[in-house]
Amino acid sequence: NAGVTQTPKFRVLKTGQSMTLLCAQDMNHEYMYWYRQDPGMGLRLIHYSVGEGTTAKGEVPDGYNVSRLKKQNFLLGLESAAPSQTSVYFCASSYGDRNTYGYTFGSGTRLTVV
Amino acid sequence: GENVEQHPSTLSVQEGDSAVIKCTYSDSASNYFPWYKQELGKRPQLIIDIRSNVGEKKDQRIAVTLNKTAKHFSLHITETQPEDSAVYFCAASEYNQGGKLIFGQGTELSVKP
Repeated sequence: NAGVTQTPKFRVLKTGQSMTLLCAQDMNHEYMYWYRQDPGMGLRLIHYSVGEGTTAKGEVPDGYNVSRLKKQNFLLGLESAAPSQTSVYFCASSYGDRNTYGYTFGSGTRLTVV
Repeated sequence: GENVEQHPSTLSVQEGDSAVIKCTYSDSASNYFPWYKQELGKRPQLIIDIRSNVGEKKDQRIAVTLNKTAKHFSLHITETQPEDSAVYFCAASEYNQGGKLIFGQGTELSVKP
């Protein structure tokens, strides 16, 4: 039981390049989330999904796209990377049941855009 | 949408003292309030949570209190130990909003031996 797995763990991009971050969970969780973490700003929600085939915008969605084609996977895409997207990205998942709110986080992806 | 403010941003205490971190939220519909601990270079880990129908919850040295009227909640750590040193985040969520958590800015707690 791996929990929530993020790939890659580290990446350096040049401005304008594109990339996809993968989040995979093996806990049969319905809900999945992408956050970015920057010093002094906490964790800010980028996009989230309440089930296979659904996505919704969070607090800071601009410059990112997501897809949830399979229940266990949630992909975060950067079409044209900018230095402002340098951050640590965390994926999380939860059952989405009102009695089981807790998130399980992945180990994070450290992205640097130069 | 929901907005969560957290204070202080840094907190330094002596080992054995108590530490208190406070958060306020803006959306009166929020009904779930977790606290996460994040050690350097690690992922956030849930340490305690409280729902809006409860005023206080304790788990050994950690307690959380909630004041729905004032829309604020607090984390209390007693008998602090050096291993409590970490960044702590509060968060708020309303179930019908996709269970999404809105986080505070974080508090860096340092416990000096």
